[in-house]
Amino acid sequence: NAGVMQNPRHLVRRRGQEARLRCSPMKGHSHVYWYRQLPEEGLKFMVYLQKENIIDESGMPKERFSAEFPKEGPSILRIQQVVRGDSAAYFCASSPLGQVNTEAFFGQGTRLTVV
Amino acid sequence: AQSVTQPDIHITVSEGASLELRCNYSYGATPYLFWYVQSPGQGLQLLLKYFSGDTLVQGIKGFEAEFKRSQSSFNLRKPSVHWSDAAEYFCAVGSGGGSQGNLIFGKGTKLSVKP
Repeated sequence: NAGVMQNPRHLVRRRGQEARLRCSPMKGHSHVYWYRQLPEEGLKFMVYLQKENIIDESGMPKERFSAEFPKEGPSILRIQQVVRGDSAAYFCASSPLGQVNTEAFFGQGTRLTVV
Repeated sequence: AQSVTQPDIHITVSEGASLELRCNYSYGATPYLFWYVQSPGQGLQLLLKYFSGDTLVQGIKGFEAEFKRSQSSFNLRKPSVHWSDAAEYFCAVGSGGGSQGNLIFGKGTKLSVKP
């Protein structure tokens, strides 16, 4: 059973471009979470999605950031008009539907560098 | 507000020595507690978790942690450190029940191991 797959692993964007980060959850998992890790910091929760629904986006910046988890395909975290401050590692985690008290499993992350 | 504090930013221990990494949390209800490890450039791997029951929790790689409600602590311990344990360690707290993907992380403790 493959783990949480994130791609690309590394992404370089110029200021003002768009960044698209993809996350394929573990097989059988229908909950996806996105986190951002700034240098020398812990992970900060951004958004929690289930298939076709955003459940909690309390950690998402109000502008330029959006996330989706369509019925088919991976979850996408989209950052429009990137700025230097968006440079960070972005992690996705997934967990299964209907199981109480189970942990989330993390992907390897996408390291975004804005130049 | 919920929070997790890891007081030690960086710890160095000699190989074979014992280890204790501190974690204090602030949470209104019964917390769900986790320790994750992150090797450089990698994702997070779960070491152990506490949901309920026995307050001494055994994890992978010889790690254990003890939940102390009176001290709001969940310190991670290992009796004998190996060079391969050098990594960054994150303590996290989650809400009770359901999928545990919406977590609050501490800022991490970087562990160095001397030969």
